[in-house]
Amino acid sequence: TQLLEQSPQFLSIQEGENLTVYCNSSSVFSSLQWYRQEPGEGPVLLVTVVTGGEVKKLKRLTFQFGDARKDSSLHITAAQPGDTGLYLCAGTARTSGTYKYIFGTGTRLKVLA
Amino acid sequence: GAGVSQSPSNKVTEKGKDVELRCDPISGHTALYWYRQSLGQGLEFLIYFQGNSAPDKSGLPSDRFSAERTGGSVSTLTIQRTQQEDSAVYLCASSRSPPPAYEQYFGPGTRLTVT
Repeated sequence: TQLLEQSPQFLSIQEGENLTVYCNSSSVFSSLQWYRQEPGEGPVLLVTVVTGGEVKKLKRLTFQFGDARKDSSLHITAAQPGDTGLYLCAGTARTSGTYKYIFGTGTRLKVLA
Repeated sequence: GAGVSQSPSNKVTEKGKDVELRCDPISGHTALYWYRQSLGQGLEFLIYFQGNSAPDKSGLPSDRFSAERTGGSVSTLTIQRTQQEDSAVYLCASSRSPPPAYEQYFGPGTRLTVT
């Protein structure tokens, strides 16, 4: 069974602090996405990474895909209250000839003003 | 352009009743996915459609759950004889092409409450 484990599960920080969220698996993923979900809404895609070692930046967010394509991280610099939400990683893995799209366990972030 | 829409946004039903949840994907998206999300939890995959066929139904939790898609567009998720444990937010997503393509676009969800 492929799993995408995220850590930490919960994170509460003050505005202006930096943080990193991790997404780990024992499986290799052909691509990996990060989503943010706010209460009452569906997840919204933030970024897609496809190449081992790839780094993408989106304003204060930096995403990295591990060299072996088994893990990823999301780093937020100078967090703001608007960053509050549930962060989900998701990836595409191939097993037994079929593709599976798997969501991580989620990290719930709260940024306090 | 229009995003993924779902209806109803909220549904309260009595235990034992049947419910139908509807999803309108983004026009031109061939792949459609249903997920379930319990309060504060991650996403649980239910079923995936490519066109009108469902290559992967592995996530449906029981035979009370079924889904169909017609015309390669609208999809309906049906839950028969609802149970309290079925209470959750049901999310639909669509993507331009099937796995291993990525970038799913989600609707706002239907919050189902079984009393």
